[in-house]
Amino acid sequence: GAGVSQSPSNKVTEKGKDVELRCDPISGHTALYWYRQSLGQGLEFLIYFQGNSAPDKSGLPSDRFSAERTGGSVSTLTIQRTQQEDSAVYLCASSPFSYDTEAFFGQGTRLTVV
Amino acid sequence: AQSVSQHNHHVILSEAASLELGCNYSYGGTVNLFWYVQYPGQHLQLLLKYFSGDPLVKGIKGFEAEFIKSKFSFNLRKPSVQWSDTAEYFCAVNAGAAGNKLTFGGGTRVLVKP
Repeated sequence: GAGVSQSPSNKVTEKGKDVELRCDPISGHTALYWYRQSLGQGLEFLIYFQGNSAPDKSGLPSDRFSAERTGGSVSTLTIQRTQQEDSAVYLCASSPFSYDTEAFFGQGTRLTVV
Repeated sequence: AQSVSQHNHHVILSEAASLELGCNYSYGGTVNLFWYVQYPGQHLQLLLKYFSGDPLVKGIKGFEAEFIKSKFSFNLRKPSVQWSDTAEYFCAVNAGAAGNKLTFGGGTRVLVKP
């Protein structure tokens, strides 16, 4: 498909385990974002990749969170030693490097830490 | 750094009522402005966007928004809502240059009663 693809769509994990969330952006999009959406908390920015520039990690809530983007395409968000407060929907979005266009979102990964 | 605030967290109204959602941003330079909508169980999608030109922007499903530069505002309006407009609405901004980060407001949940 032509949209942003995220996997898995749902993930249940035990507290203390590590998880990896994957995002396949739209082909050719240079910008890639990760956001977290918690109940009643709106959209929380996590990290932003733009081309070959150093990523903007200013939104990562703790050092348990990390993300990488390989080959300027696929991105993986890793959460180590998960905590219950990490439970949320993790959204990925991508956009072209141009002035007048918007970001396109995936369906998200619903993470539940039990 | 840019930031976005949405004044209403929850709005409840009846069908055919008019809707206005407030959005203010903080950034002194040129900005691109967006409204996204998330219908229940669906991914975020673009309602409308402003980059330049006419400050009154028309989007899908009868929505419009007005950019008032002097007030740093980009309020969303719809003259007559329908039950199908029940959703969460997000205002977003990026500083007006290609490749800049997209920042979201906290969102407004709108419930339209039939």
